[in-house]
Amino acid sequence: NAGVTQTPKFRVLKTGQSMTLLCAQDMNHEYMYWYRQDPGMGLRLIHYSVGEGTTAKGEVPDGYNVSRLKKQNFLLGLESAAPSQTSVYFCASSYSTPSRLAFLLYNEQFFGPGTRLTVL
Amino acid sequence: AQSVAQPEDQVNVAEGNPLTVKCTYSVSGNPYLFWYVQYPNRGLQFLLKYITGDNLVKGSYGFEAEFNKSQTSFHLKKPSALVSDSALYFCAVRVGRSNDYKLSFGAGTTVTVRA
Repeated sequence: NAGVTQTPKFRVLKTGQSMTLLCAQDMNHEYMYWYRQDPGMGLRLIHYSVGEGTTAKGEVPDGYNVSRLKKQNFLLGLESAAPSQTSVYFCASSYSTPSRLAFLLYNEQFFGPGTRLTVL
Repeated sequence: AQSVAQPEDQVNVAEGNPLTVKCTYSVSGNPYLFWYVQYPNRGLQFLLKYITGDNLVKGSYGFEAEFNKSQTSFHLKKPSALVSDSALYFCAVRVGRSNDYKLSFGAGTTVTVRA
């Protein structure tokens, strides 16, 4: 199993350009997440998805859009990149279940290797 | 709001000495707490979690964490640190509704273990 993969690994954009980050997972997880990591601020949730065809806003959603057309993929889009969006972006996925026992056993999130984005 | 705080930006220890990385939490109800580690240029890796039960939780790579309800803390510990434990450590708490598996992360603590 590849786990969680992200493409691309690095990208440099000019202000105003657009791009899409792709996250893929092969663990059949229902839940997927996009985070950004900035020095001294930990990880902040941008958007997340609780299943195919559904998305929701996280802590810092402005300037980003997402889509979950297939269960295994979660796309993060920047329509008009800004220097403030320079960051490292991480995708994660997790198992979900209404079963409390299964949740206790299997609920940690699995992270991809990250995408380093620089906006000039 | 449910959150965690990591009061130390950096922790420096000598190899072989005990390592402690501090985390305090602020939640309503029962906390679900996690520790993750990030090695340079890598994604986060799960170390351990506290959901319920014993206050001492054992995890990967010889790490353990102690849940202390009276002090609202969940400190990560390792009895004898290795140089390879040098990394960025994050504490996290589950936030949201009962079927809403979101995590709120602390700012992170950089651990440096010197030979």
